[in-house]
Amino acid sequence: AQSVAQPEDQVNVAEGNPLTVKCTYSVSGNPYLFWYVQYPNRGLQFLLKYITGDNLVKGSYGFEAEFNKSQTSFHLKKPSALVSDSALYFCAVREDTGTASKLTFGTGTRLQVTL
Amino acid sequence: EAEVAQSPRYKITEKSQAVAFWCDPISGHATLYWYRQILGQGPELLVQFQDESVVDDSQLPKDRFSAERLKGVDSTLKIQPAELGDSAMYLCASRPTLFNTEAFFGQGTRLTVV
Repeated sequence: AQSVAQPEDQVNVAEGNPLTVKCTYSVSGNPYLFWYVQYPNRGLQFLLKYITGDNLVKGSYGFEAEFNKSQTSFHLKKPSALVSDSALYFCAVREDTGTASKLTFGTGTRLQVTL
Repeated sequence: EAEVAQSPRYKITEKSQAVAFWCDPISGHATLYWYRQILGQGPELLVQFQDESVVDDSQLPKDRFSAERLKGVDSTLKIQPAELGDSAMYLCASRPTLFNTEAFFGQGTRLTVV
């Protein structure tokens, strides 16, 4: 089975500083990786995905992620954090089996951006 | 912008009662998912539909949970009887094609079983 791991329960960063939220993956075959963000009592919002191609993926709200095959990582980054970026971030891997295709999520990382 | 609609947003029910959640996916999306998210954890897949057919319900507790998507559009997830451990956020998501795009999530239904 495919899986992702988010080693940090929480990341704290000051506004204006760069941020990184870590994700490592374990898959058989080519990885299809995603980042979603969740605000309190809301559903998940898609940020970006890696399917194939350039290792640096750009997404919504100024976020980007770097796919690293040798380190089996897909870390989420942003050059300059905003207080409004404070939320719960989930890394996910897509697993395709026959006609089924599901996302398997990590446990989530809470990002806290302070003034 | 088209959204996945879910209702109700919040539901409180007593254990042993029946409860149902409704989801209306983005128009034209053939694939529909129900996920359960327990507080402090990532979402876990309960069931996936392709049009009106179930393609994966391996993680659905079938003794008490049921899901249907009769006309291949909107969907209902039912729990009967509800247990205290069912308290969670229930998320519906949809995709326009099976493999090519990301899933779009609704705002979820927060269930509390007392």
